[in-house]
Amino acid sequence: EAGVTQFPSHSVIEKGQTVTLRCDPISGHDNLYWYRRVMGKEIKFLLHFVKESKQDESGMPNNRFLAERTGGTYSTLKVQPAELEDSGVYFCASATGMNTEAFFGQGTRLTVV
Amino acid sequence: AQSVTQLGSHVSVSEGALVLLRCNYSSSVPPYLFWYVQYPNQGLQLLLKYTSAATLVKGINGFEAEFKKSETSFHLTKPSAHMSDAAEYFCAVSPTSSNTGKLIFGQGTTLQVKP
Repeated sequence: EAGVTQFPSHSVIEKGQTVTLRCDPISGHDNLYWYRRVMGKEIKFLLHFVKESKQDESGMPNNRFLAERTGGTYSTLKVQPAELEDSGVYFCASATGMNTEAFFGQGTRLTVV
Repeated sequence: AQSVTQLGSHVSVSEGALVLLRCNYSSSVPPYLFWYVQYPNQGLQLLLKYTSAATLVKGINGFEAEFKKSETSFHLTKPSAHMSDAAEYFCAVSPTSSNTGKLIFGQGTTLQVKP
């Protein structure tokens, strides 16, 4: 069974550009989470989907970030326009239920120059 | 607000030596606690978790952790380090038992294992 897949694995963009990150959860996992790790800091929660609905988006830093999960399958996280401080590693995780183990993807390393 | 503190961003041990990675948490309610590991070029992998059952939790690859409420600690140990244990380790707490995918992480500890 495939794990959580994220792509691209790396992305380098210029300040002001738009970037879209994608996460494919494990098949059948209704719960999908986005996290971010800024250089040298801890991994921080961004938001949580249950199927296609946003259950909790309390960690989203500002309105330049837009997450979607159309159809309750894969999810995208768009940053528009990107700023230098958006650089970091973005992780996605999925779980069958809200109190079950979350499985993480390899992350997308975003560098904004 | 809940928080997690990992003491030491880098820990170096010799192969065969004891591994001790420290984690302290702050929580106003009984927490769920986790240790994750990230090997190079891989995603986070769950090592073990404490969910208010036994205070000594055994995980994969010979790791274990002990929940000590009086010390608000959840330190990770392994009796004998292997070269393959070199990785970054993250302690995390779930603020609620009803959503254990929403985690608060510590800053991570990079474990180096010397031959």
